[in-house]
Amino acid sequence: EDQVTQSPEALRLQEGESSSLNCSYTVSGLRGLFWYRQDPGKGPEFLFTLYSAGEEKEKERLKATLTKKESFLHITAPKPEDSATYLCAVQANYGQNFVFGPGTRLSVLP
Amino acid sequence: DAEITQSPRHKITETGRQVTLACHQTWNHNNMFWYRQDLGHGLRLIHYSYGVQDTNKGEVSDGYSVSRSNTEDLPLTLESAASSQTSVYFCASSEASGGAGSAQYFGPGTRLTVL
Repeated sequence: EDQVTQSPEALRLQEGESSSLNCSYTVSGLRGLFWYRQDPGKGPEFLFTLYSAGEEKEKERLKATLTKKESFLHITAPKPEDSATYLCAVQANYGQNFVFGPGTRLSVLP
Repeated sequence: DAEITQSPRHKITETGRQVTLACHQTWNHNNMFWYRQDLGHGLRLIHYSYGVQDTNKGEVSDGYSVSRSNTEDLPLTLESAASSQTSVYFCASSEASGGAGSAQYFGPGTRLTVL
């Protein structure tokens, strides 16, 4: 069974304090790994797709990396506006559907 | 710009009533999905469609139905609303991906309360 776990469940950072969020997955053949940001009361917003181990994607203060078993979302010098829940999802080779992780709730304090 | 919209954004209904939540996308995507999101459970797939006239059950489909008569719309119907169906509902769409994975794009959500 395909599974996605995320850690930590919640993370509090001071503004400027860099850190990483983890997404661990088991899937029978990875078609893609996806990161989303979700603000309270809104739908998930697409951030990145990663397709193969060793791949990296960057957007502003965020960088996503991928290995064969996990992905990391690195946040460099975060700002309060980076506060959100970050979701990870995987898509297997055999289908079009996603399996989502439970998310990491990030709070960045000024 | 292409988008995905949901209506209503908020709905309060009574137990036993039939409720339909609308989802409309202008991406021209073949794939459409309905999820519910609850504290402690994350996003769970209710129903999905890979094209017109195609519908499939997800992991939490009991009490829900969908129909796909065109590319743009996938309405979700709660046949007889129950308090356990109080939740936030998200619609999403994606391109059909024959090779590399395609991102799903989400609507703003509908908050449904069943009293």
